Order: sequence, then structure tokens, then C-alpha cells
Amino acid sequence: KAGVTQTPRYLIKTRGQQVTLSCSPISGHRSVSWYQQTPGQGLQFLFEYFSETQRNKGNFPGRFSGRQFSNSRSEMNVSTLELGDSALYLCASSLTGTHTEAFFGQGTRLTVV
Amino acid sequence: KNEVEQSPQNLTAQEGEFITINCSYSVGISALHWLQQHPGGGIVSLFMLSSGKKKHGRLIATINIQEKHSSLHITASHPRDSAVYICAVSLNAGGTSYGKLTFGQGTILTVHP
Repeated sequence: KAGVTQTPRYLIKTRGQQVTLSCSPISGHRSVSWYQQTPGQGLQFLFEYFSETQRNKGNFPGRFSGRQFSNSRSEMNVSTLELGDSALYLCASSLTGTHTEAFFGQGTRLTVV
Repeated sequence: KNEVEQSPQNLTAQEGEFITINCSYSVGISALHWLQQHPGGGIVSLFMLSSGKKKHGRLIATINIQEKHSSLHITASHPRDSAVYICAVSLNAGGTSYGKLTFGQGTILTVHP
């Protein structure tokens, strides 16, 4: 059974640009959650999608957005990049998003210069 | 005060030692997760607990719901166990908990040969 796949693994962008990250969940998993990990703030929840609908959202500005497709693959987009957006972005998939184990991808390391 | 607190923050051990990492939380939860993160970023789910005790190989996780406390034990530690161990909880908060994990700050474990 294939795991959670995130692409790309590494990304360097310039301030002001936008970026799109992709997450392919485990087959059969309908919930995809996104997290940001930084040395200062640790792991923080961005949002969760289930059956193409955003069900939950963390405390991040509107520059952070996402979507989910009918095959459960998810993308997150960050517009107008700031230096502080440099982080490891992780996605996690689970069957339902509640009371089920979460499986994480390897992450996308974003560097904003 | 963080909703999830781990101790210790750093732990150094000699190969073969018995290791305990503690996690306390202050909110109602539906489940507690123990995660492992190696350098390079990927996170692996070790356990998901809502009560009692689970064992997998040399790893044992326990939870005491009344005391809001969980422990992760590693028996006969090995240098390959060196990683960051993260406690995370799924809040028992209805819609605002969908797909969302709330994390402790992590415990950096180093096992020397």
C-alpha cells in the first residue's frame, strides 16, 4: 500500500511569488490535513479537507488556501510569499479525519528568499 | 500554557537503556497520538490511543484518561531510535477538531552506542 506522497520535496521561491504544494493521500483515505512546521512555532494546523470540502481551518491568514479533488488528492497554495513562510509543510491523510490514525507524508521544505 | 506538554525536551541515553517520555494535556481529547520524526522531516505514526496500553516491538504507550497523562516507553534503546518524539492529541470538540492534531513541543532523543 503506497504511503502519503508530497511533491515537490524542496522548493525555493522569492518573496511575493506564490507556490502550490501537492499531497496524494493513501488510497481510500478521504481526509487530508495540512500542517506547517517551523523551529519557532513547532507544528501548526493549517486546514483539513474531506470529500472536497474544507471542514476545519487553523489560524493562518487568507494567503494560505487549499483544495481537494474528487480523487482525494489535495493542494495547498500560498500567495504573496513572505520570508516567514519558510517552513516544512506536511500533509496527513486518514480515513475520516476523526478518531482514525493519521499518516504523514515526507513534507515539502519551502524556502522563501 | 500549551494544551499539550511533553517532558523532557531533550533526552540522552546509552544503548540498551529503558527510556520514558511523558505527555500531559489539559483538554478533553478523543485520542492521543505518539509520532516519530527523523532528520529530513517525515513523520511516522507510532501509536494512537484512547485508553489503556499498546505495545509494538520495543515500544510501549500508555494513557491515563483521568490524569490526562500518557507515556511512551522504549525498551532496550538503540542508536536508530534517535529521533524527535512528538505527542499529539485529537480534541474532543466537534467540528473544530476535524482532521486537526494539536502537538506537544517534541522530545529530542539521542541514543549513544
